[in-house]
Formats: sequence, C-alpha cells, structure tokens
Amino acid sequence: NAGVTQTPKFRILKIGQSMTLQCAQDMNHNYMYWYRQDPGMGLKLIYYSVGAGITDKGEVPNGYNVSRSTTEDFPLRLELAAPSQTSVYFCASSHLRDVSYEQYFGPGTRLTVT
Amino acid sequence: KNEVEQSPQNLTAQEGEFITINCSYSVGISALHWLQQHPGGGIVSLFMLSSGKKKHGRLIATINIQEKHSSLHITASHPRDSAVYICATTRGSTLGRLYFGRGTQLTVWP
Repeated sequence: NAGVTQTPKFRILKIGQSMTLQCAQDMNHNYMYWYRQDPGMGLKLIYYSVGAGITDKGEVPNGYNVSRSTTEDFPLRLELAAPSQTSVYFCASSHLRDVSYEQYFGPGTRLTVT
Repeated sequence: KNEVEQSPQNLTAQEGEFITINCSYSVGISALHWLQQHPGGGIVSLFMLSSGKKKHGRLIATINIQEKHSSLHITASHPRDSAVYICATTRGSTLGRLYFGRGTQLTVWP
C-alpha cells in the first residue's frame, strides 16, 4: 500500500492564481481530512469528508473548496490564492479501530503565495 | 485558549536522558493521539490511547482520563528522537477529526 499520497510536494503561486492540491489513499478509508500547519501553531482542519459525495467545513475553510467523487481521492482547490494561504498542507485519512480513529498522514505540500 | 495544551514547547536533552512531554485537554475525548513530525515534515502516528498505558520500544504513553492529562515518555533518548511531538484528541461525535496541540520541539544532543 502507498498509504496517503499528496502532490505536489512544493509549489509557489502568485497572488490570485488557482491550484488544486491532490490527495489519494489506497486503504479504502471513508474518512479524509485536509489540515494546514502554520509555524508555531497547531494544525487546523480545513475540510473533511466522511465518504464519497459528502464533505463538510472545518475550522478554516475560507478560500478553499473540496470535492470527493471517489473513496480514494480528496482534492483541495484554492481559487484565488492569497499570502495568508502560505502554509504546509497535510491530507489525512482515518478508519475506526477500537474506540477511535487511527490516523494516516500524507507527506505534505509546502505552498508559498507571493 | 487552545483546548489541547502541551508542555514544554521546546525541550533539549542529552543523549540517554529520560524525556517527558505533557498534554492536557479540556473537552471529553474518545482517544488521545501522540504524533511525531520529523524535519522534512512527515507526520506519523505513534500512539492512540483511550485509557491506561501503551509502550512501543523506548516510547511510553500514559493517559489519566479523570485528570484529562497524558504524558509521552522517551527512555534512553537518542539524537534520532529529535522531532516535533504533537498531542491531539478525537471526540466520538466528530468522526475522527483531530484537535491538535501546538507541538513540542525535542532536540537530543549526542
């Protein structure tokens, strides 16, 4: 199993440009998440999905959109990039084990908006 | 106020020392997670626990549900343990999403 994969690893965007961060998992997990990590701060949830066709907002959804057309893929779209979106983005998936959800993270995408 | 608090924020140790990182939380949880993030950024799950204690090699995680507190211990620390250690919680009602502490940067010197 490849686990959770993310592309690209690095990207520099100009203000106002758009891009899609790709995330895929091959573990057949229903639950998938997008987090962002800013220096000195804990990771924050952007969007999450509990299955194909079902998505919901997290703590910091403004400026982002997601879709979940398949169990495997959960892309994150930035429509009009702003400097405040400079961050490291992690995709994760989870499955229920015992009483809670075991977590698997992708390697991250480092995004700079200038 | 973050609902998951970790201490210390930074920790420096000499190789071989016993390390303790603390985590407290304010909201009821279904589980507490300890994660490790190495330079280069990847995040790996170390432990998921809802009661008692778990051990994996030189790492031990404990949780006290009544006191809403968890500790991560590293015995006989080694420079390769240098990383950011992140405490996070899950709640039964929120389907596996994590609530994160800000992390503890551990540096172990040879």
